[in-house]
Amino acid sequence: QKEVEQDPGPLSVPEGAIVSLNCTYSNSAFQYFMWYRQYSRKGPELLMYTYSSGNKEDGRFTAQVDKSSKYISLFIRDSQPSDSATYLCAMRRDSNYQLIWGAGTKLIIKP
Amino acid sequence: EAGVAQSPRYKIIEKRQSVAFWCNPISGHATLYWYQQILGQGPKLLIQFQNNGVVDDSQLPKDRFSAERLKGVDSTLKIQPAKLEDSAVYLCASSLARTGHETQYFGPGTRLLVL
Repeated sequence: QKEVEQDPGPLSVPEGAIVSLNCTYSNSAFQYFMWYRQYSRKGPELLMYTYSSGNKEDGRFTAQVDKSSKYISLFIRDSQPSDSATYLCAMRRDSNYQLIWGAGTKLIIKP
Repeated sequence: EAGVAQSPRYKIIEKRQSVAFWCNPISGHATLYWYQQILGQGPKLLIQFQNNGVVDDSQLPKDRFSAERLKGVDSTLKIQPAKLEDSAVYLCASSLARTGHETQYFGPGTRLLVL
């Protein structure tokens, strides 16, 4: 079993829709949770970063962490075609700085 | 601020040949990472440098992969000899310091195809 599971998609939604992207994990020691966005033929770029449980909002993006369920989510409101990309979750423990990555979900926003 | 630079962007080689990738991190970033990203998967850390010292190379296939970071700035990753399963995108990333939750900044990657 992988430490981090993420549905590869593709997830296709119409422009303006609310998008929900999710990851589950098995290691309860993870404390730092990140969402990266990767456009085609580009490197990943950090979108959101959350420590421990709770919500964090940045513009149209909201990250949620539910440590009791070992489940993290990224919500995108008012989705735009420019949001079309692969979204990768990543997480790590306090004691080890190595990031453990999900496989990424390919998101397509249709105009 | 200039980002992480990588070259070449694309490389096609035959199996058993050797190949080298180059990375120039963001100026002032002490930590440098090399990742391998196979199609449809998340990045896998190959090696992490803090300045010019190796912090973690536990997932580097040392029988064929090698990396160095001379003078704590640029880095090269070499594969010798290449196998078909090495076909992947090789990403270089850098961060300011290895203090915990600093952001990793990624380059565009080198796309390697081994025939």
